[in-house]
Amino acid sequence: DAKTTQPNSMESNEEEPVHLPCNHSTISGTDYIHWYRQLPSQGPEYVIHGLTSNVNNRMASLAIAEDRKSSTLILHRATLRDAAVYYCILFITGNQFYFGTGTSLTVIP
Amino acid sequence: DAEITQSPRHKITETGRQVTLACHQTWNHNNMFWYRQDLGHGLRLIHYSYGVQDTNKGEVSDGYSVSRSNTEDLPLTLESAASSQTSVYFCASSPQTGYEQYFGPGTRLTVT
Repeated sequence: DAKTTQPNSMESNEEEPVHLPCNHSTISGTDYIHWYRQLPSQGPEYVIHGLTSNVNNRMASLAIAEDRKSSTLILHRATLRDAAVYYCILFITGNQFYFGTGTSLTVIP
Repeated sequence: DAEITQSPRHKITETGRQVTLACHQTWNHNNMFWYRQDLGHGLRLIHYSYGVQDTNKGEVSDGYSVSRSNTEDLPLTLESAASSQTSVYFCASSPQTGYEQYFGPGTRLTVT
């Protein structure tokens, strides 16, 4: 199984940036790093993914360490609607997504 | 707009009964997936399909089956429901392997 390690929970104040860390020390050269989030009572929602370079989209930024053994999902300005469980997933070519238990993000007004 | 739907959204059934959960997507995606989610666990893959007539077992496939007769649908069947299969079930689809997956709203199944 592809393994990632994330903190169980984190808190952030509203309108402040949030940095969600993920360790994936077993990553190999062709493995993609995916992030999903799950709002309460909903299905998971795609956030962002990357291979080597940092990535930005309208939802977030993904910063990937130079050795690729860790990554950080950055929410630039947390809102109450960002309260969710965030999953860091290592996708191995020819394999499937393995969701861990993720990081539960609490946003404090 | 294209979408992925699941039905029913809630289901209560008795132990030993056969149950089928429906999943329908209108994106014309080749890949479809079934996951289950239990308290204290992330999502665990049950079965997946890369196209019509293709099905594969995932991490927790025992007691479940799927069939893919067209691109749009991947029904999940519990042959003989057990209390351990009480869970929330999510269906997902993606255009290609490794691409983002789009999830349905989920079906909450209770086996009594």
